Amino acid sequence: GENVEQHPSTLSVQEGDSAVIKCTYSDSASNYFPWYKQELGKRPQLIIDIRSNVGEKKDQRIAVTLNKTAKHFSLHITETQPEDSAVYFCAASKGGGSNYKLTFGKGTLLTVNP
Amino acid sequence: DAGVTQSPTHLIKTRGQHVTLRCSPISGHKSVSWYQQVLGQGPQFIFQYYEKEERGRGNFPDRFSARQFPNYSSELNVNALLLGDSALYLCASRTTVGNTEAFFGQGTRLTVV
Repeated sequence: GENVEQHPSTLSVQEGDSAVIKCTYSDSASNYFPWYKQELGKRPQLIIDIRSNVGEKKDQRIAVTLNKTAKHFSLHITETQPEDSAVYFCAASKGGGSNYKLTFGKGTLLTVNP
Repeated sequence: DAGVTQSPTHLIKTRGQHVTLRCSPISGHKSVSWYQQVLGQGPQFIFQYYEKEERGRGNFPDRFSARQFPNYSSELNVNALLLGDSALYLCASRTTVGNTEAFFGQGTRLTVV
């Protein structure tokens, strides 16, 4: 089955710096890659997603890049703010039949220091 | 609009007992999935239901079962609870069965003692 690896497990940056989180996936059939932010004690919330027919997607300070050949995708957060502090999860999913389950990475704890 | 709601929010059970967790999807969403999130890990897929039919099952033992009702709400049942079943159980709803945004509920924190 699909396996998603996520790095780093923890990331500490100064406010205003950029943060990059990287994920690799194993199943070349995966075609949907969402990123979730989970604050302590709260539900995971989608922050951005990308499909396999697109190489990059941006939404204000957040961007995601996808390299299908290398089977990796990355989350980029620019001009980080203290409220960006949370655990971030990448996930992968493939279409077809019942195979719409999300396979998650283990998460990255991002701390933005004021 | 109400988001995905789950009940109860917290639960403490004894080993060997049975538990039922409930989920109400966003209005209009027909697909419900269940995930188990152990502390410090990413969510792991348990089940997906769409139009009251099971559409996917993760690598969980038969002690785990689920169903979806005509109003698209769902129940997750776990029998013969083990200490290792302690986790946050998340429900996610989607408009369809396909690769669209999954909206998560706040979860049920299950502690097995």
